[in-house]
Amino acid sequence: NAGVTQTPKFRILKIGQSMTLQCTQDMNHNYMYWYRQDPGMGLKLIYYSVGAGITDKGEVPNGYNVSRSTTEDFPLRLELAAPSQTSVYFCASSYLPPGSRDGYTFGSGTRLTVV
Amino acid sequence: GENVEQHPSTLSVQEGDSAVIKCTYSDSASNYFPWYKQELGKGPQLIIDIRSNVGEKKDQRIAVTLNKTAKHFSLHITETQPEDSAVYFCAANPNDYKLSFGAGTTVTVRA
Repeated sequence: NAGVTQTPKFRILKIGQSMTLQCTQDMNHNYMYWYRQDPGMGLKLIYYSVGAGITDKGEVPNGYNVSRSTTEDFPLRLELAAPSQTSVYFCASSYLPPGSRDGYTFGSGTRLTVV
Repeated sequence: GENVEQHPSTLSVQEGDSAVIKCTYSDSASNYFPWYKQELGKGPQLIIDIRSNVGEKKDQRIAVTLNKTAKHFSLHITETQPEDSAVYFCAANPNDYKLSFGAGTTVTVRA
C-alpha cells in the first residue's frame, strides 16, 4: 500500500501566488487532516474532514481552504501566499477517530517556502 | 481547547542510557495519548500509545506511563541506540475527531 501520498515534496512560491497541496490515501480512511509544522511549535491543525463532503476548521485555518469530494483526496488550497505560510505541511489520515483503534498515518510532508 | 506541553525540547543521552520525555495536558476529557517519532525528512510515525484505562504500557525498549489525576504522561526509552535519534511528539485527543500535539523533543543519542 502507498499509504498517504503528498505532492509536491518541495515548493517555492512568491507572495500573492496560489497553489494546491495534494494529499491522497489508499487505505479507505474516513478521517483526514492537514497540519503545519513550524520549528519549536509542534504540529498545528489547519483543517480536518470526517468523511467525504464534510470539513471543519482546526486551530490555524486562516489563509487556507480545503475540499473533500472523495474519500481518497483532501487537497489544501493557499489562495494568496504570505511569508507566514512558510512551513512544512503534513497530511494525515485514520480509519476511525483517533483513540478508537490506531492513531494517524502521516504523509512525508510538503516543504513550502514563500518569498 | 486542549493544550499539550512537552519537556524537554532537546535531550542528549549517551548510548545505552535511558531517555525520558514528559507531557502534560489540560482537557480532562482526553482519553488517548499516542507518541510519534519523526526521523529527518519524514512524516511522524506512531511508536506507542496508551488509553486512559491503562496506567502503563511497554513495547520492547519503549514504555509509556499515564497519570490521569495529574494529567501527565511520559515516554521512556531504555538502552538507547543511535537509531533512536529523532524528534518525538506526544499528543492527546481533546475530542473524538482530532489530536493535539506537543511541541516536540529532539533526542540525540551520542555514540
